[in-house]
Order: sequence, then C-alpha cells, then structure tokens
Amino acid sequence: GAGVSQSPRYKVAKRGQDVALRCDPISGHVSLFWYQQALGQGPEFLTYFQNEAQLDKSGLPSDRFFAERPEGSVSTLKIQRTQQEDSAVYLCASGSERGEYFGPGTRLTVT
Amino acid sequence: AQSVAQPEDQVNVAEGNPLTVKCTYSVSGNPYLFWYVQYPNRGLQFLLKYITGDNLVKGSYGFEAEFNKSQTSFHLKKPSALVSDSALYFCAVRDRSGGFKTIFGAGTRLFVKA
Repeated sequence: GAGVSQSPRYKVAKRGQDVALRCDPISGHVSLFWYQQALGQGPEFLTYFQNEAQLDKSGLPSDRFFAERPEGSVSTLKIQRTQQEDSAVYLCASGSERGEYFGPGTRLTVT
Repeated sequence: AQSVAQPEDQVNVAEGNPLTVKCTYSVSGNPYLFWYVQYPNRGLQFLLKYITGDNLVKGSYGFEAEFNKSQTSFHLKKPSALVSDSALYFCAVRDRSGGFKTIFGAGTRLFVKA
C-alpha cells in the first residue's frame, strides 16, 4: 500500500512569499501530525489533527503558520510571508494505534 | 514539561555484537514512547511504540526497547548488530494527558563496523 506522500519535495521561496505544503496521509489514518526539522536536529511538533479537527496547534511558531485538513484526509500547511528562519524540512506523519508513519518531507529554502 | 534525552551523540559497535541506544524521558503523566530511524536521504521510519502492558516492546528489523518506569528510560536494543543498521536513531515521547505534542530527542548516530 501507499505510504505518506508530500509535495512538493523541494521548495525555494523568496522572503515574504507565501507557500503551501501538501500531505497525503495513509488512507484510513485518523491522526495527522506536522513537524519541522532543522538540519541536524530532531523533528519539532507543529500541529495535530484528528480527522478534520485540529486538536493541538501548540507548536506553530507564529500566526504566519496555518494548517488545515478540511475533509479529514489531505492536509495543507501554509506559511505566510516566509522568513529565512522558516528554512527547514517539513514532515507530515499519519498514524493509527499501531504506529505513526512519516512522509519524505518538503525541504523549504527561503532566500 | 515533556523532555527527551539521548545522552550519546554517537554509538559505535562491531557487527554481530549487541547494541544499545539510550533514551530517558520526562513527562508529568504516563507516556507513549517511540523509536524512529532515519537513513541518509530517506524519511523517518517507525521502529516501535510503547503504549501499555509488557515493558519489552518488539519492533521492526529485530529491534526491541525496554520501558523502565522507575528509571524513566526507554533504551533501544538489538541482540546482533548489522552494518546496515548504521543510521540516525530518534527517541520520542508523548504525554497521554498533555495533548498530542510529541517531543523528539536530538538523535543518536549509530555506526556498525564490519
């Protein structure tokens, strides 16, 4: 079966541009997480969805970050007015009680 | 507040020898605990998860981890290391009573020498 997919895999944005990152979770997975991973560090939690409900957004670093999952499947992470410190790999994971499975990530570079 | 510590930046082991990658955690409630592996240029791969019950959790690729509540540890183990196990390993914790935030350790790089 298909795993978690993310698109685009690479994104270069000029500072101040808006970006949208997409996550297609494993079919049937209720849970969906977004993480940010800086080079050489562990992932940092951004937000969590249970179906379409965003139950935890405590990790979003600023109000420029926004995530949605309107139909309980595909999710989009949007970053407005990108800054250089937003450069990182953005990871999506979907999960069940058995485990949580990560996508390949989107590498965002803000120039 | 939740936290995870992986005290070793790097672990070196000879092929065929047992390996241990250490992890300690701090949560206010009861934890979910995870181990993930990251190979070069590949995404994070789920190895195992502690939910409840048996303190010894068996996972993928022959790995297992032991939950020790008194020592707040969740060390990853494998009886016989393979060169192909060389990768970056992350421990993570989630407080069951504290929302859905998952905290990851900084990672431990495992080198298995032939």
